[in-house]
Amino acid sequence: SQQGEEDPQALSIQEGENATMNCSYKTSINNLQWYRQNSGRGLVHLILIRSNEREKHSGRLRVTLDTSKKSSSLLITASRAADTASYFCATVTGTASKLTFGTGTRLQVTL
Amino acid sequence: DGGITQSPKYLFRKEGQNVTLSCEQNLNHDAMYWYRQDPGQGLRLIYYSQIVNDFQKGDIAEGYSVSREKKESFPLTVTSAQKNPTAFYLCASSIGKVNYGYTFGSGTRLTVV
Repeated sequence: SQQGEEDPQALSIQEGENATMNCSYKTSINNLQWYRQNSGRGLVHLILIRSNEREKHSGRLRVTLDTSKKSSSLLITASRAADTASYFCATVTGTASKLTFGTGTRLQVTL
Repeated sequence: DGGITQSPKYLFRKEGQNVTLSCEQNLNHDAMYWYRQDPGQGLRLIYYSQIVNDFQKGDIAEGYSVSREKKESFPLTVTSAQKNPTAFYLCASSIGKVNYGYTFGSGTRLTVV
């Protein structure tokens, strides 16, 4: 079962623009994580936000979490062509170690 | 360098065959996971193990089997009972029970021929 749904499914922007991806989930969470996947490769962990946090930053990444709306957003500022990838949100519920992934957003950054 | 190694990168299976996908980690992580990825469906959990000699079914365990005899290794067998095995398989690990992030392998693409 998929915990998260991401929006949009695909996003195309020009280099230098900001990219925003949204994730909605269904049940209460312990934390929410964002991952990047380049085509045909494994996923890379980007950032984690705990349920008691509202915003986190890491370099050009900014993540927000609204537990009342069961949603999160990932903002990539000043996008580069190298940011072209699929981005997934994933949630941890309760004390379980396993992650439940969303369906992903495909980001295309053009020169 | 620490990391997770999946092999082979590409695997072809004939109808009725069992095949085993390898996953080895040298990160000293306690927990390991197998996910299946199909186009447009994200990742779905097949099996996971939080400790040696113990594992649990995920959301789509039917037609798959695993073992966890060593901390470093978590092989996945795709049996002939799995009717639609063509997919991209990803192995991951994490430090322990509380998940602060996965480390992923580079994946195995399995195709039925």
